[in-house]
Amino acid sequence: DGGITQSPKYLFRKEGQNVTLSCEQNLNHDAMYWYRQDPGQGLRLIYYSQIVNDFQKGDIAEGYSVSREKKESFPLTVTSAQKNPTAFYLCASSMVAGGTNTGELFFGEGSRLTVL
Amino acid sequence: AQSVTQLGSHVSVSEGALVLLRCNYSSSVPPYLFWYVQYPNQGLQLLLKYTSAATLVKGINGFEAEFKKSETSFHLTKPSAHMSDAAEYFCAVRGDVRFSGGYNKLIFGAGTRLAVHP
Repeated sequence: DGGITQSPKYLFRKEGQNVTLSCEQNLNHDAMYWYRQDPGQGLRLIYYSQIVNDFQKGDIAEGYSVSREKKESFPLTVTSAQKNPTAFYLCASSMVAGGTNTGELFFGEGSRLTVL
Repeated sequence: AQSVTQLGSHVSVSEGALVLLRCNYSSSVPPYLFWYVQYPNQGLQLLLKYTSAATLVKGINGFEAEFKKSETSFHLTKPSAHMSDAAEYFCAVRGDVRFSGGYNKLIFGAGTRLAVHP
């Protein structure tokens, strides 16, 4: 089945440690996204990428880094510079805008990061 | 610029009652609008989308939404609530792709948590 796989589903980290969240898709989508979700704040965009080896900062990129070495993969690293990293992280993908593409995003199941 | 406002962070209904979740948007271009549902500790699943065709859009699980340009609204409804409808619902508008390099940047509302009680 086509879809997006995020791992791990739950992750605990000590302060000062970097952690990397995995996101893999087999939908053949060009664009991929990382969102952060906090209670009562909806989803906020961290980074997005349209093609391999290219990515752009979203609204809250500080303290995060990404890479896009393969079309299928878009890992997110939460660095020690992120002051409040405890959150639910969602990866998504979409076709690139244009033509009849409506902009629908397809989401993974999410990764919950807790800083101890 | 685009933005989304969802009125009511929590809505509670009885099983069998009408569900109405409110969404108002602002957009500088003809909008593409979406409703997503999220169950606890899961990702978001698309319920329905408006793409400038019919103004009344039907989605999965018996939900529908009506696009009203004059009111800049896209409210989500379901005639009869079921216990399994309890979840968080997000309204979203697609950002203007002219300013996002072709990215499908969705702007989300803060979400409405729906509770269904017997």
